[in-house]
Amino acid sequence: SQTIHQWPATLVQPVGSPLSLECTVEGTSNPNLYWYRQAAGRGLQLLFYSVGIGQISSEVPQNLSASRPQDRQFILSSKKLLLSDSGFYLCAWSVRQDTEAFFGQGTRLTVV
Amino acid sequence: DAKTTQPPSMDCAEGRAANLPCNHSTISGNEYVYWYRQIHSQGPQYIIHGLKNNETNEMASLIITEDRKSSTLILPHATLRDTAVYYCIVRITNTGNQFYFGTGTSLTVIP
Repeated sequence: SQTIHQWPATLVQPVGSPLSLECTVEGTSNPNLYWYRQAAGRGLQLLFYSVGIGQISSEVPQNLSASRPQDRQFILSSKKLLLSDSGFYLCAWSVRQDTEAFFGQGTRLTVV
Repeated sequence: DAKTTQPPSMDCAEGRAANLPCNHSTISGNEYVYWYRQIHSQGPQYIIHGLKNNETNEMASLIITEDRKSSTLILPHATLRDTAVYYCIVRITNTGNQFYFGTGTSLTVIP
C-alpha cells in the first residue's frame, strides 16, 4: 500500500536560519507531488507541485523553493527564514486527475 | 485559485444528516469535484469525488447538479467526530492536476 512520510512534525527555527523539510512517498511510482502551506486559521495554499524528477512549478512568489531529486522525494527549502514563513506545511501526492490526493500529517513550523 | 464557494460555517445535530453545499459555477466539463475534511492540526482527509454522477461511499454521498454548477456533500448520520472543516475542491485538469483549496465550511456537530 502507498504511504507518505513527512518530517519533522514540529520545528522551531530562528529568523534568518535555513530550512529543509522532506517528504517521501512509498508504494507508487511517478506520482504528482505537492507542497501546501496553511497559516493559522486559514485555508491551504498550494506552494509548489511537481510532475517528475527535477520538474518544479511554483504557484506563488515567496521565500521558499522546492526540489525533487528522486521520483518519490520532495523537499521544501529556504535559505533564510522570515517570520511570515511560520505555518503548517503539508506534502501530498496523487497519481491521476481522477484519483484522490493523499496528504502527510504535516510539519508545524514556527519562526521566532 | 479556488474555483468554489462554500458557507463559512454550519451546525448539525448529532445523528441528523449534514448537508454541505458548494458552488462551482465555472467548472469545466472534465474537472472533478472533490471533498476533503480537516480536523484541527491534521492533514486533510479525502472523503469523496465525482465528475457528473452522484457518488456514495462508506463516508458520505455526493450530489452533483445536472448543470454541474453546484454540489452537496451529505453525511447521513453526523457524529461528534465529524466536526471539522470541509473543503470542496475543483481539481484542475492539466499536467499537474492541482488541488486548490478554498476557505471551506466549518461544520460543528452538536450533541
